[in-house]
Amino acid sequence: DAMVIQNPRYQVTQFGKPVTLSCSQTLNHNVMYWYQQKSSQAPKLLFHYYDKDFNNEADTPDNFQSRRPNTSFCFLDIRSPGLGDAAMYLCATSGGSNEKLFFGSGTQLSVL
Amino acid sequence: DAKTTQPTSMDCAEGRAANLPCNHSTISGNEYVYWYRQIHSQGPQYIIHGLKNNETNEMASLIITEDRKSSTLILPHATLRDTAVYYCIVPTGTYKYIFGTGTRLKVLA
Repeated sequence: DAMVIQNPRYQVTQFGKPVTLSCSQTLNHNVMYWYQQKSSQAPKLLFHYYDKDFNNEADTPDNFQSRRPNTSFCFLDIRSPGLGDAAMYLCATSGGSNEKLFFGSGTQLSVL
Repeated sequence: DAKTTQPTSMDCAEGRAANLPCNHSTISGNEYVYWYRQIHSQGPQYIIHGLKNNETNEMASLIITEDRKSSTLILPHATLRDTAVYYCIVPTGTYKYIFGTGTRLKVLA
């Protein structure tokens, strides 16, 4: 049973056209994360939420925004995608400090 | 920045034990060491974690040195399906999990 669900699995957008990626969880975890992973690189943390408390990484571009309307859902908004934003976007959850991460299958974003 | 360093790549013969090292010299007393692996185009998969004692589960064993500055993940009988990138992670601050470069393990037939 999938516990962290990301939709869609593949997303194609046009250069400069806003796009939203979604993540939902059935674990009732407090913490949700978004990672960006480019080809042959390690996942890079963009931001995370503890409940509604948003924590942005210092080097995350302003082009990336996130929303968490409730415990179960979290969204990644890319306001004006560039070619360099093509990547796998991974959502993860954890129950709190010193708790393991649960990952979704990821959304592969292509920018044309 | 990640708090761990790992070799970039390793090879292992099928059926043999794969021993993957990780250095985490700045680890604090209450910080756990986590291991994940990622098979191509999939989300990372949790393997095992530990604080100071050695740990074993159905997937692997984790050996942590007494000073906790390094650890080794052991896959006792590697199979071709264990070919993946293996990440060792120590949380950075509260709730932050920063990935290092990981070790690309290739299991050879």
